[in-house]
Amino acid sequence: QKEVEQNSGPLSVPEGAIASLNCTYSDRGSQSFFWYRQYSGKSPELIMSIYSNGDKEDGRFTAQLNKASQYVSLLIRDSQPSDSATYLCAGGIRGNQFYFGTGTSLTVIP
Amino acid sequence: DTEVTQTPKHLVMGMTNKKSLKCEQHMGHRAMYWYKQKAKKPPELMFVYSYEKLSINESVPSRFSPECPNSSLLNLHLHALQPEDSALYLCASSQDPGRDQYFGAGTRLSVL
Repeated sequence: QKEVEQNSGPLSVPEGAIASLNCTYSDRGSQSFFWYRQYSGKSPELIMSIYSNGDKEDGRFTAQLNKASQYVSLLIRDSQPSDSATYLCAGGIRGNQFYFGTGTSLTVIP
Repeated sequence: DTEVTQTPKHLVMGMTNKKSLKCEQHMGHRAMYWYKQKAKKPPELMFVYSYEKLSINESVPSRFSPECPNSSLLNLHLHALQPEDSALYLCASSQDPGRDQYFGAGTRLSVL
């Protein structure tokens, strides 16, 4: 069983729309969650981290954590073509352990 | 400043060679990580150093040998690699284990 599961996509949205990315995790002891963006041929770039239940907003990005449902999501408002990338969900599990989901490929269509 | 520097950017080596990958951060982070990433796959955790001590080794073959000379530096020594070890090797660091990780640009390794 994978520790972190993610919709593999691909996901396509028109420019200006909201993109919704989802992730579930299996270990209830997980305490920290992260969203990374990775452009082709580049390294992952941290977008958001979230540690407690609820929403966390940063500019056009909102991360949501629901520990009861073991669910993490990322909303991208006013999507831009430059947002086209692979988005990786990651969870900090059992202290130092850190697992990535398989990633969701997002394409924003101009 | 969230910069993690990795050298070299590209490396080609034969199966009998010995080489090393280097990683450096000056953010005062106390945890450093090595990942391996194959094309169209997520990064896979290889090693974790916490406060300069190896805390996690994810069943990585002994032909990969990590070293943490001090709190700012992390090396990955490579010996007798196989062609299937060709991948992007990523270094990351975080303030403390389990916190936000920041990645370097990676070393793209090809084993011939």
